[in-house]
Amino acid sequence: DGGITQSPKYLFRKEGQNVTLSCEQNLNHDAMYWYRQDPGQGLRLIYYSQIVNDFQKGDIAEGYSVSREKKESFPLTVTSAQKNPTAFYLCASSFGGRETQYFGPGTRLLVL
Amino acid sequence: KQEVTQIPAALSVPEGENLVLNCSFTDSAIYNLQWFRQDPGKGLTSLLLIQSSQREQTSGRLNASLDKSSGRSTLYIAASQPGDSATYLCAVAHTGGFKTIFGAGTRLFVKA
Repeated sequence: DGGITQSPKYLFRKEGQNVTLSCEQNLNHDAMYWYRQDPGQGLRLIYYSQIVNDFQKGDIAEGYSVSREKKESFPLTVTSAQKNPTAFYLCASSFGGRETQYFGPGTRLLVL
Repeated sequence: KQEVTQIPAALSVPEGENLVLNCSFTDSAIYNLQWFRQDPGKGLTSLLLIQSSQREQTSGRLNASLDKSSGRSTLYIAASQPGDSATYLCAVAHTGGFKTIFGAGTRLFVKA
């Protein structure tokens, strides 16, 4: 089955802790994205990557970091610098920029 | 700066009714427009993608139209069913960049 997987489904972060959200795709897509979704708001772009070993900041990159060492994987780290991390995080991929994006099931991050 | 607005934020209809969801955008220089469906606590599923050169796209009971000059798109759902209950988001890809801008969505309730 081709698709995008995200783990974990729920993640709890303690104050001052860094946490990493996993995103893996087997669709052979070049582009991958991380979005944040808050209640009543549209998706906001955190980071995107058009190709392996390259990524760019989106609209709300502060307090987050990413890596793209493999085509299939695009992990997102929520650092202690992100003061309001509670949200639903969605990963997506596409063949290229502006093409149809395919989304994973999401990770809900909660702060203890 | 591209802004995408969806009105109303929520809509409740009886089963069997035909309905229209609205999406407006401020910059007509778009590459394409997509409609997505999101079930509670889940990722997004692409429903229809309209290229900037197209006027409409159809899939089953769904029909999406695009009027670039007025900055509007509509999603028409025929003979609504309770299983159509979800949040519907539109998203616009701009010609001048890599990012896709999402609306906040319309939450649809179809009553049996």
